[in-house]
Amino acid sequence: KNEVEQSPQNLTAQEGEFITINCSYSVGISALHWLQQHPGGGIVSLFMLSSGKKKHGRLIATINIQEKHSSLHITASHPRDSAVYICAVLMYSGGGADGLTFGKGTHLIIQP
Amino acid sequence: NAGVTQTPKFRVLKTGQSMTLLCAQDMNHEYMYWYRQDPGMGLRLIHYSVGEGTTAKGEVPDGYNVSRLKKQNFLLGLESAAPSQTSVYFCASSPAGTPNQPQHFGDGTRLSIL
Repeated sequence: KNEVEQSPQNLTAQEGEFITINCSYSVGISALHWLQQHPGGGIVSLFMLSSGKKKHGRLIATINIQEKHSSLHITASHPRDSAVYICAVLMYSGGGADGLTFGKGTHLIIQP
Repeated sequence: NAGVTQTPKFRVLKTGQSMTLLCAQDMNHEYMYWYRQDPGMGLRLIHYSVGEGTTAKGEVPDGYNVSRLKKQNFLLGLESAAPSQTSVYFCASSPAGTPNQPQHFGDGTRLSIL
């Protein structure tokens, strides 16, 4: 079973600050997902990574396969970025789909 | 397109009652999943399906049954609800062919068992 650890668990920052959320996992994976969950509960997929780096707007996700570590960065943070950010990993059995294994999430609050 | 739709959104049950949660997706996805989310814990996989007529157990399957009679629908059943099943339930779907596809989530069903 893959263990997924996120840090920090809670983060409060001021608007405009650069935000970093970390994720580490214990077993080799086929893909890592970053998800966003807003108050009200809906979950949205932000990134899916198997190597390297991806950027979408002010969000950047990186992964280091050798070190089993990923980071999610938010540049020029804004109060609307306030949400829970969840890291999840997928182990590929080769014969079909397995569900994701999730971290507990990082609760981010951006103050104006 | 609606994406992934879960019904109902909220439900309160008494211990021992039964109910079925419905998940419907209109993206022609092969894979579908049921997760539960509890405070202080990450989402956990209950059951999943890799295609019509097939289901498999996930991490926490006890007390739940599922069916995938049609490709677009994935049903989660509680035969005899228990307070420990109070949770928020999420359905998700993804395409087949490769594991490296994002999962699309429904808005969740908040279930309380009294």
